Amino acid sequence: DTGVSQDPRHKITKRGQNVTFRCDPISEHNRLYWYRQTLGQGPEFLTYFQNEAQLEKSRLLSDRFSAERPKGSFSTLEIQRTEQGDSAMYLCASSTSTWGEQFFGPGTRLTVL
Amino acid sequence: DAKTTQPNSMESNEEEPVHLPCNHSTISGTDYIHWYRQLPSQGPEYVIHGLTSNVNNRMASLAIAEDRKSSTLILHRATLRDAAVYYCILRDSVRNTGNQFYFGTGTSLTVIP
Repeated sequence: DTGVSQDPRHKITKRGQNVTFRCDPISEHNRLYWYRQTLGQGPEFLTYFQNEAQLEKSRLLSDRFSAERPKGSFSTLEIQRTEQGDSAMYLCASSTSTWGEQFFGPGTRLTVL
Repeated sequence: DAKTTQPNSMESNEEEPVHLPCNHSTISGTDYIHWYRQLPSQGPEYVIHGLTSNVNNRMASLAIAEDRKSSTLILHRATLRDAAVYYCILRDSVRNTGNQFYFGTGTSLTVIP
């Protein structure tokens, strides 16, 4: 399968713990996006990378959130000191151009107890 | 990016055409109209996009009003696999800050066998 992959698919954690998610984009895609989706809502943009550079961050991305894409390939999204309000689906997408089609992964569902 | 307005839900009978409307009265001249859909428990997937002229692809057709303040996604023969949430999104083709999509809440399509 050459699509976007995300790991893990599900994560249950206790409030206050740190969690890290991984996204592997389609190999030739230099643009990578993170979104968050809560129940009944559409995905909300979190951050965007072009190669290894993080070019844009949403105001939704609080200080507890950090994302990296160290070699311009896979990306990680870390949430420190998780809160119950962080429970959501975290989606990753990649593309070859800024305005082109975005290809989404299956998402990581986070539940904070 | 300019916002869009879509009905919360629609129903269609299987094998009949479906017309999903979207209003975007504040659209600018450089905004592309994108449609994505999200099947249950999956990430969004690209359907179609256009600027001014009507567009067709293997999945759907996009009819754009002459004043571009509204558009309609047309599924020519709805199948049970088309049951999903459909998002109409505007993307600015000029401003580089338009990297993210604003999904809104979309239209939940139910297909009745």
